[in-house]
Amino acid sequence: GNSVTQMEGPVTLSEEAFLTINCTYTATGYPSLFWYVQYPGEGLQLLLKATKADDKGSNKGFEATYRKETTSFHLEKGSVQVSDSAVYFCALQTDSWGKFQFGAGTQVVVTP
Amino acid sequence: GAVVSQHPSWVICKSGTSVKIECRSLDFQATTMFWYRQFPKQSLMLMATSNEGSKATYEQGVEKDKFLINHASLTLSTLTVTSAHPEDSSFYICSEIFMGGSYNEQFFGPGTRLTVL
Repeated sequence: GNSVTQMEGPVTLSEEAFLTINCTYTATGYPSLFWYVQYPGEGLQLLLKATKADDKGSNKGFEATYRKETTSFHLEKGSVQVSDSAVYFCALQTDSWGKFQFGAGTQVVVTP
Repeated sequence: GAVVSQHPSWVICKSGTSVKIECRSLDFQATTMFWYRQFPKQSLMLMATSNEGSKATYEQGVEKDKFLINHASLTLSTLTVTSAHPEDSSFYICSEIFMGGSYNEQFFGPGTRLTVL
């Protein structure tokens, strides 16, 4: 079956540090891949997405590249801010009706 | 992006009572909505797919008689937790699907925190 594996958190960083959150997946077919962010007490917000191999999704300084050969979609940001503190979820979608498979989430804590 | 609202944002109830959570699509008609449950520091677990005008499709292990889903209109889906118990305390999140192009994007509501005493 389909699955998403993320690195465990929490990940604690100082402001302006480089952030990487690893995400690998197992899926049949050709999934679309997503990163969602959840701020404390809130629902999920789409951060970025990629729908086919070698696509790069980017938003708010975050980037992730769809790597089919390594079945990965690692999230990166060059210089994090305190406001980036949140839980980040990697997700895939193979079902045309919209079902998502989420990773376990990675909590990121950025300190001043 | 699409806007999805949930009401209430939080609710506290006594054990044995029923609680209804609303999920509204504010800017487009959603034939399909999803209900998720999230335990503290864990990922989202899909509970059911809510289809307008038909019965919801529940994921394996989710009690359909306990978590009643109604999707009576294209802009409203409701989740009723019947005879709630403390173990039902959780963060419930709905989402709607926007069908477009090569993928279907989900827009999530802000969530409802249920605490059962």
